Amino acid sequence: QQQVKQSPQSLIVQKGGISIINCAYENTAFDYFPWYQQFPGKGPALLIAIRPDVSEKKEGRFTISFNKSAKQFSLHIMDSQPGDSATYFCAASTGSARQLTFGSGTQLTVLP
Amino acid sequence: EAGVVQSPRYKIIEKKQPVAFWCNPISGHNTLYWYRQNLGQGPELLIRYENEEAVDDSQLPKDRFSAERLKGVDSTLKIQPAELGDSAVYLCASSLGAGGHTDTQYFGPGTRLTVL
Repeated sequence: QQQVKQSPQSLIVQKGGISIINCAYENTAFDYFPWYQQFPGKGPALLIAIRPDVSEKKEGRFTISFNKSAKQFSLHIMDSQPGDSATYFCAASTGSARQLTFGSGTQLTVLP
Repeated sequence: EAGVVQSPRYKIIEKKQPVAFWCNPISGHNTLYWYRQNLGQGPELLIRYENEEAVDDSQLPKDRFSAERLKGVDSTLKIQPAELGDSAVYLCASSLGAGGHTDTQYFGPGTRLTVL
């Protein structure tokens, strides 16, 4: 049973644009929501993470928006760059950061 | 600091053959994870080790998959016999094991398995 639904499956944006990736979850026990970035041939790497006690977290050009009542969270990439082209995975876990459930991924392409 | 090391990076085998993957976690990391990533999907946890103990192997197909983590450091994941549906990338990750939301998982590059 897929517990974290991610959309869109693929996304193409122009350089300098805003990339938005959305995730929705079902398990209300989830209390940690990280985003991972994966380049071809590499393993996923933690990009940014949020806990449900805040509605937004920003790190540089990357922002997570969290809506607890709607059970949704999203990743916003401002001023998208070609180097941001990668696959992005949302994830969620309970209790600790160990039992991660991943979304299906979004392949982002930023055109120069 | 060296990251998580996995070998081999690629493996092509015939169905019904055995295969093994090796993982060396980041030094000092007590928790080790094996994930399977199917094409176009997110990673799915197979097994998690806390030091030498397998504490979560509920998603490991035990009829054909086995894993071990001797001395609480390196780990090996084995499939015997392999089936066509086992074709995937097998990722190893490690974390400090301190628990809580600061226990970031660091992933290796994975082993891409193709079963013919």
